[in-house]
Formats: sequence, structure tokens, C-alpha cells
Amino acid sequence: GAVVSQHPSWVICKSGTSVKIECRSLDFQATTMFWYRQFPKQSLMLMATSNEGSKATYEQGVEKDKFLINHASLTLSTLTVTSAHPEDSSFYICSAGGQAYEAFFGQGTRLTVV
Amino acid sequence: GDSVTQMEGPVTLSEEAFLTINCTYTATGYPSLFWYVQYPGEGLQLLLKATKADDKGSNKGFEATYRKETTSFHLEKGSVQVSDSAVYFCALYEAGSARQLTFGSGTQLTVLP
Repeated sequence: GAVVSQHPSWVICKSGTSVKIECRSLDFQATTMFWYRQFPKQSLMLMATSNEGSKATYEQGVEKDKFLINHASLTLSTLTVTSAHPEDSSFYICSAGGQAYEAFFGQGTRLTVV
Repeated sequence: GDSVTQMEGPVTLSEEAFLTINCTYTATGYPSLFWYVQYPGEGLQLLLKATKADDKGSNKGFEATYRKETTSFHLEKGSVQVSDSAVYFCALYEAGSARQLTFGSGTQLTVLP
């Protein structure tokens, strides 16, 4: 079946640095990808909807200048956490393909900012 | 707004035990309900779904019934296996909702041999 690959699976970075997370659709083209975030013991929350060739749509409360999303091709969307701080430490996961509930999910990225 | 409340984990069971993971929801309309499973190192996978009241979703021995009167969608399995060890997420989707999927916080299940 369709596969969405997310990289890296985990990353540790220093406070103030930027981190890029990649989300690739391996055997299908995705005009739309979704980015979610999960804080410990909380729900997965939609951060933004990434649209190929256009600007991402961010959910209320998500800083677009801090979480840069680029969807430059039909198989790749990237999320860059700029000037990361410890409060950005979280689990980030992407999905792509079909209706939101039928989308294929990546395996997630555990970000720890120290 | 929409929300999903899920039984907190972790849950640890012995093989062949009965499993229940509770899930209740709040929605303004008539959502579709889902259970997703995430095995270690893999992405979330749709496990089962129900699109209207009294529907029962089932897959791989897991079942969940859409109960509108109690706004619940509890996940059950009669006899769990070690291979069922994973994180389980309850979710809802309401047509027209700009928020797309709304997830619960996930429940870690560990099945011991």
C-alpha cells in the first residue's frame, strides 16, 4: 500500500538552532499533506495543511514564522522549526493522501530541544 | 468545538486477555469515528471506522460500536496477542470541519506473553 516516510525519526538539537523534518510520499503524489504535533499526554493536534505550490494553511495559534512549511513537490513537504526552544520539544507527525481520515501517516519525529 | 477523550494508559495485559480502551467524544454534528494504531517505528494506520450511529467497525479481531446516546466508541478485543502491542488513537472527523481529524491522546498497550 501507499507509504509516507518521515525523517528523521528523532532529533536532539540545541536551543536557538533550526531543525528540518521531511515528509515524503513514496509511491503516490500528494497535493496536500498535513502536519500534526503531540505534546506529552495530550492529543495529536493539527498544526497546518501543506499545499503543493502554494502557501500552507496554519491552524489558529500556530506561528507560521516559527514553523516554516515548504511543499515544493508532489512528493515532499518539509517542516522547519526555526530558533527552536525547549517548549517546542514534541512529537511531530505528517500525513498525506486521500481524505484526512484515509490519509497515510508517517512514523513521526520526536524532537527534543536542549 | 470537537474533542475526543481517551482512556489514559499505559495498559498492560497478559496474552489472551480481554481488552477495552474507552473513548468518548464531543461534536457539534454527526461525526465519523475512527481507531488508529501505531506500531513501534511505524506511522499511524487506520484500524477501523464507523460512520453513523449503531455502526460497528471491525478489523483484525478489534471491534468498536458507535454509540450516539453515550457519545462513545470504545475499542474491544476478546483475546489480545503480543503483536497487538502498540499505541491506539481514537479520532473523529466531521464533514466540513476545518480542523480535519480530531484525535484523542493515545493509549499505549503492552501485551505480555
